[in-house]
Amino acid sequence: KAGVTQTPRYLIKTRGQQVTLSCSPISGHRSVSWYQQTPGQGLQFLFEYFSETQRNKGNFPGRFSGRQFSNSRSEMNVSTLELGDSALYLCASSLHEQETQYFGPGTRLLVL
Amino acid sequence: QKEVEQDPGPLSVPEGAIVSLNCTYSNSAFQYFMWYRQYSRKGPELLMYTYSSGNKEDGRFTAQVDKSSKYISLFIRDSQPSDSATYLCAMTDTDKLIFGTGTRLQVFP
Repeated sequence: KAGVTQTPRYLIKTRGQQVTLSCSPISGHRSVSWYQQTPGQGLQFLFEYFSETQRNKGNFPGRFSGRQFSNSRSEMNVSTLELGDSALYLCASSLHEQETQYFGPGTRLLVL
Repeated sequence: QKEVEQDPGPLSVPEGAIVSLNCTYSNSAFQYFMWYRQYSRKGPELLMYTYSSGNKEDGRFTAQVDKSSKYISLFIRDSQPSDSATYLCAMTDTDKLIFGTGTRLQVFP
């Protein structure tokens, strides 16, 4: 069974731009969660989607948003990028909410 | 105070050593405990998943949970250079999943 895939793998943007990241979960998984990982803060939860509905949200500003499609694929969007948004963005999928999560390889975002 | 505390390391050990990685937590509602391994520039991969207090063994890896002390451990026997990675503990109360910040392990030949 194919794992979680994320595109793009690497991205360079400048301050003020916006970015959209994509995640395809493991086939059959309906829950998708997004995390931001930085050396100083570790893995920080962004949001979780299940059946196209946002179920949980972390403590991130409204510039961070996401959505899930009917095929369980998910996108997250970051508007008005700031230097501090440079991070590895990880997507994880699970069969149901809050069950064991399987991670994708991540999208490494660099904001200049 | 963070809900999950994990020593960031780095932890450097010789090949063949027994490694002990630990996390403490404050929320007694946590029921499920996981250990993930993350190699450089990769996403975390699930290593172990436990529910109850006690030990769970899988090859060279043993996960230990002590709910009374709010303490979990991952032991790696006969450590190999290929075990060099960051190890993250994670736990959930079915409402939220919280990760530790990770411990960086280096196993040298």
